[in-house]
Amino acid sequence: GQSLEQPSEVTAVEGAIVQINCTYQTSGFYGLSWYQQHDGGAPTFLSYNALDGLEETGRFSSFLSRSDSYGYLLLQELQMKDSASYFCVTYNFNKFYFGSGTKLNVKP
Amino acid sequence: SQTIHQWPATLVQPVGSPLSLECTVEGTSNPNLYWYRQAAGRGLQLLFYSVGIGQISSEVPQNLSASRPQDRQFILSSKKLLLSDSGFYLCAWDRDSLLSGANVLTFGAGSRLTVL
Repeated sequence: GQSLEQPSEVTAVEGAIVQINCTYQTSGFYGLSWYQQHDGGAPTFLSYNALDGLEETGRFSSFLSRSDSYGYLLLQELQMKDSASYFCVTYNFNKFYFGSGTKLNVKP
Repeated sequence: SQTIHQWPATLVQPVGSPLSLECTVEGTSNPNLYWYRQAAGRGLQLLFYSVGIGQISSEVPQNLSASRPQDRQFILSSKKLLLSDSGFYLCAWDRDSLLSGANVLTFGAGSRLTVL
């Protein structure tokens, strides 16, 4: 089976840095992805890690440690528009499994 | 470019009524197609996925069914809705990202179903 654990909610101020953690248990592993979902909208792809280490995409970075079954999403220079839910996702044989999501509240 | 259309966007249905949600993808061929459901404030639950016409895999036993009558068309149905079927239904297709090598899910705008 597949299990992904994330904190349910995180609050940070504009301009700050926030880290959203994800631990997973999977029967097969082909990488860890992150998706962003604004209220009322559909999730959109942010980043993907197949190998250990840090991947950077602008203000967002994602890290993976396969030996620890752990990853995180790092958001820098937070903006109000970053207020959304963030999901870690694993992929295994045509199935994408989503964590329960972390709601990020950015305050001015 | 590829686009995914999903409709209707919103619907309110009585318990026991039928349901049909439709999804089409443009600009690609032989996509993998998915139906997810999201309860309020929760993660996404995979309901069905399809790797080709007529090929449907069900992840969760329930009163919903899916069909893929054409390569780029995916339909979610129910003969009799339950209160517990309320939620946000999302159709998606996946592609390989040339940039990252990831299998990336692209979602439709979603269909918000309220069963009364």
